[in-house]
Amino acid sequence: DAKTTQPTSMDCAEGRAANLPCNHSTISGNEYVYWYRQIHSQGPQYIIHGLKNNETNEMASLIITEDRKSSTLILPHATLRDTAVYYCIVRATRETYTGTASKLTFGTGTRLQVTL
Amino acid sequence: DSGVTQTPKHLITATGQRVTLRCSPRSGDLSVYWYQQSLDQGLQFLIQYYNGEERAKGNILERFSAQQFPDLHSELNLSSLELGDSALYFCASSVDLNHEQYFGPGTRLTVT
Repeated sequence: DAKTTQPTSMDCAEGRAANLPCNHSTISGNEYVYWYRQIHSQGPQYIIHGLKNNETNEMASLIITEDRKSSTLILPHATLRDTAVYYCIVRATRETYTGTASKLTFGTGTRLQVTL
Repeated sequence: DSGVTQTPKHLITATGQRVTLRCSPRSGDLSVYWYQQSLDQGLQFLIQYYNGEERAKGNILERFSAQQFPDLHSELNLSSLELGDSALYFCASSVDLNHEQYFGPGTRLTVT
């Protein structure tokens, strides 16, 4: 799976948009970009994923550049509850002789601090 | 609430002992994954099952084993425990091998 690079930490004021960047310059054509977050020591929470097109759901928007070498997760109106570590993960589904492996490889993520 | 349940929430045991962690996937999910999160190693993939069959292994020690039962719940067995095995253990599930994974709340294991 392609390696991702994220800033170690970011701050955002409550109510403002939080824009979290991720570089994945070695991504290949069949690899998706996934975003998860982990609030304190809770289980990681799925946010959104995409392949080529921009995606939006009730939690966030995902903007993927045309060359797919980078992406940005946007939380449109950050709240204090959005304070967490955000992980950008590039994941492919690989065929092996026994079937398919689809593990998630977590990096160190971006620690987002939302403040009043 | 992701729909994935894990028991117990906390476990304290001594070195050399054996423990079993249990995971119930979301209703309808066929694939189960186990991850370990320690302070120095971050979140690491251990093993994956799909519909009862092992599909992938990560950095899982030989002292650790897992299985997925016909009712799709999974157990992670940790034996000959060492202090370094103290960590959060997460289970995740997905509908199949290609969809997003949903994580449980984790089991915090402390080995003393």
